[in-house]
Amino acid sequence: GESVGLHLPTLSVQEGDNSIINCAYSNSASDYFIWYKQESGKGPQFIIDIRSNMDKRQGQRVTVLLNKTVKHLSLQIAATQPGDSAVYFCAEISNTGGFKTIFGAGTRLFVKA
Amino acid sequence: DGGITQSPKYLFRKEGQNVTLSCEQNLNHDAMYWYRQDPGQGLRLIYYSQIVNDFQKGDIAEGYSVSREKKESFPLTVTSAQKNPTAFYLCASSIRSGPYEQYFGPGTRLTVT
Repeated sequence: GESVGLHLPTLSVQEGDNSIINCAYSNSASDYFIWYKQESGKGPQFIIDIRSNMDKRQGQRVTVLLNKTVKHLSLQIAATQPGDSAVYFCAEISNTGGFKTIFGAGTRLFVKA
Repeated sequence: DGGITQSPKYLFRKEGQNVTLSCEQNLNHDAMYWYRQDPGQGLRLIYYSQIVNDFQKGDIAEGYSVSREKKESFPLTVTSAQKNPTAFYLCASSIRSGPYEQYFGPGTRLTVT
């Protein structure tokens, strides 16, 4: 039967601290990356994106870093707030025989007040 | 307001019955997608459509069917052939297939007993 993983990687941080969520992507040909936030029982929401010709992009309280050498993506959240508690997914998009989006398994962020 | 809607939010069915999940978008997006999400896992692609009257299988299409008769609508039918249909189903759309953000609906939680 199908194996279902019930335990996501979890990051627990204190309110006000910075959070760093990591993602290892699979395809060296991927040229576009997105971070999504998913709150319980809801659909994922776009947070920030980055293209492969960049190594850093900043948004409001969030920064995405891309290291193509080791196929690693990170999301930094500054001054983490209780409302940031959610599951965060990275997604990579490549154009190999048609565009395909691959989502990571996700990381659950808990923010302690 | 522009957006993507899914209905119903919760759906209960008996084993052996087919069930159709609704997805509608008014974003004028060409591409639409269906994903399945199981507890503690990332999103897995069921079907996607790049244009009206055309769709392709994703990674886990067995036991599912779709149609794309209108640009705004991309209904998913979970057939009795799907071995483990209980899951959270997410519909998404994007401007077109490619390196673009996907906008997600709120999801439908299907329980089959």
